[in-house]
Amino acid sequence: SAVISQKPSRDICQRGTSLTIQCQVDSQVTMMFWYRQQPGQSLTLIATANQGSEATYESGFVIDKFPISRPNLTFSTLTVSNMSPEDSSIYLCSVQGDRGNYGYTFGSGTRLTVV
Amino acid sequence: QKEVEQNSGPLSVPEGAIASLNCTYSDRVSQSFFWYRQYSGKSPELIMSIYSNGDKEDGRFTAQLNKASQYVSLLIRDSQPSDSATYLCAVKASGGYNKLIFGAGTRLAVHP
Repeated sequence: SAVISQKPSRDICQRGTSLTIQCQVDSQVTMMFWYRQQPGQSLTLIATANQGSEATYESGFVIDKFPISRPNLTFSTLTVSNMSPEDSSIYLCSVQGDRGNYGYTFGSGTRLTVV
Repeated sequence: QKEVEQNSGPLSVPEGAIASLNCTYSDRVSQSFFWYRQYSGKSPELIMSIYSNGDKEDGRFTAQLNKASQYVSLLIRDSQPSDSATYLCAVKASGGYNKLIFGAGTRLAVHP
């Protein structure tokens, strides 16, 4: 299965600032997925990122708050903009497995604390 | 809203027992189902996938799928303290989006 390098692993940020999270995959993938996991909660999909097109956002998430880039088939970034304490969460990127293996793999996650 | 439901637990079982984790889903057209294990402070790790009705076994893990009842389960035989984690049920959404929808997770505690 694909291996994902995600960074930073954690950060503490001031409210009103922005943080960009990066995910690098060791193989080419069509779709990358960005999830949020709030403390004690399950995973909520933020958006799906396809190379060469605008990301598709889920209900409750908007591009101005969570802009996503997908410049090629192995890389994506998620920016959390104008942060508030409510944005304190773990952010995870994910990709679908290789042909014949449809399991989804996750990056190691970014633990964000907004103060 | 397409949903995936799990009992949040905690489910407490003695070491060596069988742990049974259950999940129901609302999207009748879903075809792919996954179980993830998540240790505290770690990202989810895929442990089982299942696509057809019936049972699928992998080591101490057995996934069971009943599409008519919209029900997925995970059995862990010979439970070990190292199995203590949150188990997340995930369903691949229909409609060509390829995204996974997760349940809230069941916390499993295996005590010696």
